[in-house]
Amino acid sequence: TAGITQAPTSQILAAGRSMTLRCTQDMRHNAMYWYRQDLGLGLRLIHYSNTAGTTGKGEVPDGYSVSRANTDDFPLTLASAVPSQTSVYFCASSDSSSAGGPDEQFFGPGTRLTVL
Amino acid sequence: GQNIDQPTEMTATEGAIVQINCTYQTSGFNGLFWYQQHAGEAPTFLSYNVLDGLEEKGRFSSFLSRSKGYSYLLLKELQMKDSASYLCAGTDSNYQLIWGAGTKLIIKP
Repeated sequence: TAGITQAPTSQILAAGRSMTLRCTQDMRHNAMYWYRQDLGLGLRLIHYSNTAGTTGKGEVPDGYSVSRANTDDFPLTLASAVPSQTSVYFCASSDSSSAGGPDEQFFGPGTRLTVL
Repeated sequence: GQNIDQPTEMTATEGAIVQINCTYQTSGFNGLFWYQQHAGEAPTFLSYNVLDGLEEKGRFSSFLSRSKGYSYLLLKELQMKDSASYLCAGTDSNYQLIWGAGTKLIIKP
């Protein structure tokens, strides 16, 4: 079982260019998340999706957009990249339901993005 | 406000015991997670506490005090492979995770 996959593994991007980070899970989890991780800071939630067809904004959503057309895929798009978006991006999923409380999140291997 | 505090770095000796503390302040509270993250890798789940008390899982144990907004992760019989960052995350009223910056644990022979 692959779990969660992310692509690309790493990328160098010129400022002003657009890019989509891909995330796919095969666990049929209903909830998916995008985080960025920067040195000295905790994981910060960018966007999330509680179920296919719905998305929500996290702590740091500006400059990013997401879509959730189906259960498995949750791409993150940077419309016009800026150097402050240089970070490691992690996608995660969980089998969460509000009735059952929070469930552990499973993380993908991450995408290391450098914006110059 | 919402805040998770944990020490930036700790050093311990192979075979010893280490306790990593975490204090939290979240709007609503639905439990606390601990994750392990090796350098260059993704975080992996260690434990989840929602009730007060100690949860033991092999060499790792996690403790929660809801009244004090406090948790700790206890690692026994330390091994070199335990060198990693340990992330504390509290849950808010919307079940979203609020993450601490992580504690880098260095194990020395």
